Amino acid sequence: GQQVMQIPQYQHVQEGEDFTTYCNSSTTLSNIQWYKQRPGGHPVFLIQLVKSGEVKKQKRLTFQFGEAKKNSSLHITATQTTDVGTYFCAFAGTYKYIFGTGTRLKVLA
Amino acid sequence: DSGVTQTPKHLITATGQRVTLRCSPRSGDLSVYWYQQSLDQGLQFLIQYYNGEERAKGNILERFSAQQFPDLHSELNLSSLELGDSALYFCASSVEYRGGSGELFFGEGSRLTVL
Repeated sequence: GQQVMQIPQYQHVQEGEDFTTYCNSSTTLSNIQWYKQRPGGHPVFLIQLVKSGEVKKQKRLTFQFGEAKKNSSLHITATQTTDVGTYFCAFAGTYKYIFGTGTRLKVLA
Repeated sequence: DSGVTQTPKHLITATGQRVTLRCSPRSGDLSVYWYQQSLDQGLQFLIQYYNGEERAKGNILERFSAQQFPDLHSELNLSSLELGDSALYFCASSVEYRGGSGELFFGEGSRLTVL
């Protein structure tokens, strides 16, 4: 079945440093979504990308969909302690959403 | 508050037992998805229902079953429980529109501990 891989699995950064997580698929994706799960919480939707090369920004977060629609990235500028959590990419397929393996971000104050 | 309600929040039971997890989707959402998240793991898709009908199955064990009722709430039944079934079980709902699906709204999850 379709799989979506994410790297890195874990990332520790000092507060104020940047952070990037990458999402890769072996097949072309019609869309990519990003979710954030705080420790002890549930996943919360951040954004959806559907166009080749699309870039969207939400304050310090920048989301990108690759030109070939096989990869995506989430970049956080100047991380804050509130950014702690696990970031998942997901592909909304036919009757199911396939989630990436997730990147757990820890921010050291 | 996502609008998706899951009960119970926590459940502790013994191996070999059976439990039922309940989910009420957001008002107006016809689709319900169930996911399993083991400790520090990703989200494994179990099963999806749309307006009472099963539409997709993922890596759901034969010991597990689910259904969606006419009022659109869903139940996930886990039987002959094993230690490895200990996990967080999430329910999610979404709006569907022509040409695709929107975002998933997750409940707070049911944490199952099998002793």
